[in-house]
Amino acid sequence: IAGITQAPTSQILAAGRRMTLRCTQDMRHNAMYWYRQDLGLGLRLIHYSNTAGTTGKGEVPDGYSVSRANTDDFPLTLASAVPSQTSVYFCASSDRATGELFFGEGSRLTVL
Amino acid sequence: GQNIDQPTEMTATEGAIVQINCTYQTSGFNGLFWYQQHAGEAPTFLSYNVLDGLEEKGRFSSFLSRSKGYSYLLLKELQMKDSASYLCAVRDSNYQLIWGAGTKLIIKP
Repeated sequence: IAGITQAPTSQILAAGRRMTLRCTQDMRHNAMYWYRQDLGLGLRLIHYSNTAGTTGKGEVPDGYSVSRANTDDFPLTLASAVPSQTSVYFCASSDRATGELFFGEGSRLTVL
Repeated sequence: GQNIDQPTEMTATEGAIVQINCTYQTSGFNGLFWYQQHAGEAPTFLSYNVLDGLEEKGRFSSFLSRSKGYSYLLLKELQMKDSASYLCAVRDSNYQLIWGAGTKLIIKP
């Protein structure tokens, strides 16, 4: 059982470059999320999708975009990376009945 | 604004009991979650409370008081593997999760 798969697990990126973080789930969950986690701060929601074909902005959406073409995939794109986007990014999906979040293993991104 | 408060760090001894507190101020309430996160890993689900009272699950218990905006996670018979961060999260009126910064629990032999 794969659950949620993120790629890449780690990436060093030059400022100004475009980067897409991939996220795929096999649990058929409708809702998916992208969070960033920084030292000393709680998980902060970047974007979310309640169902395929719809997306919404979270707490810190600027500089990021998402798409949800189907139930399984929810990629996060940084159009032009900046050093403040250095962080650990977690993709998650939620079970409709319980609201429990299932997380991917995370993508550690460093922007230089 | 919405706010979740929990201690930054706690230290406890192997075999002992520790209580991690979480207070919250949110726009609406639709449940409170506790997650465990080991260093360098993803958060994993521990417990969910939506009604007042205590939920027990093995060595871990979680308590909720909605009137006080308060929850705690109780860990009994501490083991070294319990060293991790514990994240409190509240689901607000829009069904979005608001996260605390997490409590780093250090277990000493």
